[in-house]
Amino acid sequence: DTGVSQDPRHKITKRGQNVTFRCDPISEHNRLYWYRQTLGQGPEFLTYFQNEAQLEKSRLLSDRFSAERPKGSFSTLEIQRTEQGDSAMYLCASSLRGDIQYFGAGTRLSVL
Amino acid sequence: DQQVKQNSPSLSVQEGRISILNCDYTNSMFDYFLWYKKYPAEGPTFLISISSIKDKNEDGRFTVFLNKSAKHLSLHIVPSQPGDSAVYFCAANRQEGEKLTFGTGTRLTIIP
Repeated sequence: DTGVSQDPRHKITKRGQNVTFRCDPISEHNRLYWYRQTLGQGPEFLTYFQNEAQLEKSRLLSDRFSAERPKGSFSTLEIQRTEQGDSAMYLCASSLRGDIQYFGAGTRLSVL
Repeated sequence: DQQVKQNSPSLSVQEGRISILNCDYTNSMFDYFLWYKKYPAEGPTFLISISSIKDKNEDGRFTVFLNKSAKHLSLHIVPSQPGDSAVYFCAANRQEGEKLTFGTGTRLTIIP
């Protein structure tokens, strides 16, 4: 069990650029979640998948954000035309059929 | 609208004593409550959970108490150890497997 893996760990980008993050869940976990955490706040829900189906999206997820989980395994989160307000820690979690959510170490995004 | 609240941003406790972290919630639909611990540069790590049908759950040094009528839960750590120094997040959802709603966290410092 290698845990939830996220790549990259850090990303620095200029405003207006597109970025993509990857999350590899724990093997055989069928649910995958994305959260965002800003300084001094707890993680905030963005979206989640059961297998390849995206079941819920937060209103935090503007149309510049898109998430996919094409084969029900890894997932990608893309942010288009990044803004300074997108700077945050992006956390991925996975669970097995509604059990405990296990988190990765996150991708820290800095938009300059 | 902060549905899960942790009103103490920080707490310092002597090693060996009891640490008590508090959490309040407003959404009566929440049915399942969890505590996560977070070290710097790591993702949140699951600690302990409790279902709304119980009022207490114990796991080693960690005990979570739930008072549904007061919409309040607390995490007791006894005895506190230096390795317990971390940020603790309270989280809740309406059923297992659904998105988590997190509090803002309490930074616990154990003084040797």
